[in-house]
Amino acid sequence: SQQGEEDPQALSIQEGENATMNCSYKTSINNLQWYRQNSGRGLVHLILIRSNEREKHSGRLRVTLDTSKKSSSLLITASRAADTASYFCATRQGAQKLVFGQGTRLTINP
Amino acid sequence: EAGVAQSPRYKIIEKRQSVAFWCNPISGHATLYWYQQILGQGPKLLIQFQNNGVVDDSQLPKDRFSAERLKGVDSTLKIQPAKLEDSAVYLCASSSLTGVGSPLHFGNGTRLTVT
Repeated sequence: SQQGEEDPQALSIQEGENATMNCSYKTSINNLQWYRQNSGRGLVHLILIRSNEREKHSGRLRVTLDTSKKSSSLLITASRAADTASYFCATRQGAQKLVFGQGTRLTINP
Repeated sequence: EAGVAQSPRYKIIEKRQSVAFWCNPISGHATLYWYQQILGQGPKLLIQFQNNGVVDDSQLPKDRFSAERLKGVDSTLKIQPAKLEDSAVYLCASSSLTGVGSPLHFGNGTRLTVT
């Protein structure tokens, strides 16, 4: 079963613009993780935010977490063509399995 | 560090045939995962190993899928017999701990096409 649901399913922006993707989930979590997947490749871990954290930064990435709304957002600033990929949120409930959402397909147009 | 290695990269078989995938995790990683990713969807966990023991196989179709982790290192995933709906990318991942803060490291997957 899918725990997280990303929104939008697809996003197309111009290079240099910011991209925002959202993730909603249903049950209490221990942490939430974001992964990137380039076409034909495996997933790459981007950032992890714990349930007691509200915001986290890593380079051009900013992740927020609102546990009261059971939602998270991933912001990519100053997008580049190389950011074109699918982005997945994944949630872990306690020590249980990591469950992935359906993903957002991001296209950066030059 | 060397990444997660998977083989083969691609496999095409006919329905009712059998197929096996191999995974070599990052050295020292105790936890190994097999995920199934159908086109356009997120990865779905099939089985999770901690060393050579199974932690979670609740979504593994045990009538046709089997997996083992030899000596707590390499792992194989087998499908016998394959069905058309098994067409997907099979991703192997590993992590250093079962701890909730450990990110997963993924291989590039095996793309299976069942005709």
